Amino acid sequence: AQTVTQSQPEMSVQEAETVTLSCTYDTSESDYYLFWYKQPPSRQMILVIRQEAYKQQNATENRFSVNFQKAAKSFSLKISDSQLGDAAMYFCAYRRGYGNKLVFGAGTILRVKS
Amino acid sequence: DAGVIQSPRHEVTEMGQEVTLRCKPISGHDYLFWYRQTMMRGLELLIYFNNNVPIDDSGMPEDRFSAKMPNASFSTLKIQPSEPRDSAVYFCASSLAGASGANVLTFGAGSRLTVL
Repeated sequence: AQTVTQSQPEMSVQEAETVTLSCTYDTSESDYYLFWYKQPPSRQMILVIRQEAYKQQNATENRFSVNFQKAAKSFSLKISDSQLGDAAMYFCAYRRGYGNKLVFGAGTILRVKS
Repeated sequence: DAGVIQSPRHEVTEMGQEVTLRCKPISGHDYLFWYRQTMMRGLELLIYFNNNVPIDDSGMPEDRFSAKMPNASFSTLKIQPSEPRDSAVYFCASSLAGASGANVLTFGAGSRLTVL
């Protein structure tokens, strides 16, 4: 079974600084997708960024980028120029290529200090 | 589109009562998922449907839980009888199967259930 591990229960960052959230996963599949979701206090789950495993290029969405290391099964999220609105719980998630189930990590609480 | 719509947003009930959570997926989406979120267990997939048919219900905790999808625009998750350990936030999500395979789940706002 696939597992997703987020080893940082909580992280803090100063406003305008950069922070990196870690995620590792375990799978024997070669075709899969990885996601980062954000859950603010409103509890709405919001997609931040996604990465296809067959793509070598790291995904980027504005201030959010990933460092995808397929061999190491690592998928970290970098948030640049952190803003107060980035404060939330962040979940890393995995989905098998031909599947539809998302498997989530335990989440990392990100606090942004002004 | 209004997104995935869940009701109620909050439900407080007493142990032993029946609870019904409702979900309206995004129009045209052919997959629907029910997740449960707790502090102890994080986000767990309970069940998912494809074209209104349950595909995988291995995450349903026990027989007290049941889910139905009578049509493409409506699904329910029922707990009968409810117990305090069922207290959680229940999310519904929907997605569209696409050729790219990178179909993204869109989540509803969740239903917070408290069983006293």
